[in-house]
Amino acid sequence: GAVVSQHPSRVICKSGTSVKIECRSLDFQATTMFWYRQFPKQSLMLMATSNEGSKATYEQGVEKDKFLINHASLTLSTLTVTSAHPEDSSFYICSVLGIGNNEQFFGPGTRLTVL
Amino acid sequence: GQNIDQPTEMTATEGAIVQINCTYQTSGFNGLFWYQQHAGEAPTFLSYNVLDGLEEKGRFSSFLSRSKGYSYLLLKELQMKDSASYLCAINNAGNMLTFGGGTRLMVKP
Repeated sequence: GAVVSQHPSRVICKSGTSVKIECRSLDFQATTMFWYRQFPKQSLMLMATSNEGSKATYEQGVEKDKFLINHASLTLSTLTVTSAHPEDSSFYICSVLGIGNNEQFFGPGTRLTVL
Repeated sequence: GQNIDQPTEMTATEGAIVQINCTYQTSGFNGLFWYQQHAGEAPTFLSYNVLDGLEEKGRFSSFLSRSKGYSYLLLKELQMKDSASYLCAINNAGNMLTFGGGTRLMVKP
């Protein structure tokens, strides 16, 4: 399967600032990546589908101007949380869509805390 | 719409067998996944079912009935390290995954 990394693993920021999270596919060219958000004791909620070379597709209720996604290459997608608020504090996880049985390979996640 | 239901929590004893159920109603179906997730970590793949029947992989087995919108994950010879959340996820049209709420399994000695 694909090996996926995320950076940073943890980040603490002040309210009103922007935070960029990187998702890298280390050994697989990923046309499609996904971004999820997970609040404590809840399941993963899909935020957006990131397609290389085109605009991301956002799920209903996710503000595209607040959560900026860039997928400029086949190995890197970035999620920027703009003007972060404490309620944006969450675990953000990316995944890479593999081939074959439609499996997704998940990154290790990024814990964002907004003070 | 889509609806995926799993029990919120389960408790079992080390060495025993536990079955985690998942029922679903989705507009599209392209397979069902089970993932294991330890606290603070990303989900790890356990199994994939797209046809009816049982898929066995070591101590873990997964069953699917598409007509009933039902799946279960069976864990045998439970170990303490199996304490985790188990996520049922449907792959619908467009290869997107919709996750159930997850089942937190606690394995006791």
